Amino acid sequence: EAGVAQSPRYKIIEKRQSVAFWCNPISGHATLYWYQQILGQGPKLLIQFQNNGVVDDSQLPKDRFSAERLKGVDSTLKIQPAKLEDSAVYLCASSSRLAKNIQYFGAGTRLSVL
Amino acid sequence: GQQLNQSPQSMFIQEGEDVSMNCTSSSIFNTWLWYKQDPGEGPVLLIALYKAGELTSNGRLTAQFGITRKDSFLNISASIPSDVGIYFCAGQKGTYKYIFGTGTRLKVLA
Repeated sequence: EAGVAQSPRYKIIEKRQSVAFWCNPISGHATLYWYQQILGQGPKLLIQFQNNGVVDDSQLPKDRFSAERLKGVDSTLKIQPAKLEDSAVYLCASSSRLAKNIQYFGAGTRLSVL
Repeated sequence: GQQLNQSPQSMFIQEGEDVSMNCTSSSIFNTWLWYKQDPGEGPVLLIALYKAGELTSNGRLTAQFGITRKDSFLNISASIPSDVGIYFCAGQKGTYKYIFGTGTRLKVLA
């Protein structure tokens, strides 16, 4: 079974530019999560989707971050405009109620904002 | 946002030694999970615990769900070089949301 796919693996941009990350969850997983992991810390949830609806976006900086999961499968996370403090690894995870809601993670996208 | 407290923050051990780490919270969780993260990769699930007092093993790894539901422990026996990495605990409330710990960095000296 294929795991969670993320692209790109690395991205370097200058501050005030925009960037987008893509995630394709494990087939059949209804719940999709985006996390931000700053160096030396644990992952922090940004947004959680159940199918194509948002369940929790309480920690998403909505003035610059946006995410969508239009068809309830793959998802895009966007940052516009980026700030220096957005440098981090952005992890996508997915889960299924049939598998006890265990979250499975992709390899992440490492973003460097210069 | 909230993060769980893990200790130790980092540890250097000799190959073959046993390792213990723990995770504590001021909140009660329904599920405790332990993940390992290698450099440049996403976290990989090691063990999931669903009931207070539960003790579960996965090969050389053993984890326990604390009786108070506010803590969990992970032990690794007879460590090997590939055990190197960052170990994260995560607590789950309700059905979905995870709160992650601050991580324990393990380095194994051959």
